[in-house]
Amino acid sequence: QQQVKQSPQSLIVQKGGISIINCAYENTAFDYFPWYQQFPGKGPALLIAIRPDVSEKKEGRFTISFNKSAKQFSLHIMDSQPGDSATYFCAASNAGNMLTFGGGTRLMVKP
Amino acid sequence: GAGVSQTPSNKVTEKGKYVELRCDPISGHTALYWYRQSLGQGPEFLIYFQGTGAADDSGLPNDRFFAVRPEGSVSTLKIQRTERGDSAVYLCASSFERGGGYTFGSGTRLTVV
Repeated sequence: QQQVKQSPQSLIVQKGGISIINCAYENTAFDYFPWYQQFPGKGPALLIAIRPDVSEKKEGRFTISFNKSAKQFSLHIMDSQPGDSATYFCAASNAGNMLTFGGGTRLMVKP
Repeated sequence: GAGVSQTPSNKVTEKGKYVELRCDPISGHTALYWYRQSLGQGPEFLIYFQGTGAADDSGLPNDRFFAVRPEGSVSTLKIQRTERGDSAVYLCASSFERGGGYTFGSGTRLTVV
């Protein structure tokens, strides 16, 4: 059972544009929602994370928006750069247990 | 070390053979996780260690898979009688405490031919 659904599978954005990736979850017990960035041949790297007591978290050009009632959260990358081209994964966990990952979004930022 | 180290980075083995994959976590990290990532997919949980004990092994697909962490630091993932379907990147991650942000290694790419 896929508990975290991620969309789109791939995304092409022009340099300077906004990249938006969405995730939806089913398990209402999830209490930690991180986003990971993965470059080819590397492991995922934690980008930003949010807990359900806030609706938005911003770190530099990266923002997580969280909608608890809809069981959805999204990653916004402002002023997207070619160096942001990577695969992005949303994930969720419950009470410090293992992470359940979405299927990933391959982002390409065109110069 | 500065990061999570996984060895080997690549492993090609024949169907039916036994393999061991090693993970060296960040010094002082008590929690250690193994995940498996198939091509084009998100990582899937295999097993979690807190210290020396396997706190959650619910993600291991079958009894051909086994992992140990005898001294609470280095961990080894062992796969017996490998099958072509075991081909994937095996990722290890560690964190200072349960529920903390993970640091992943670069993974071991296992190819079973």
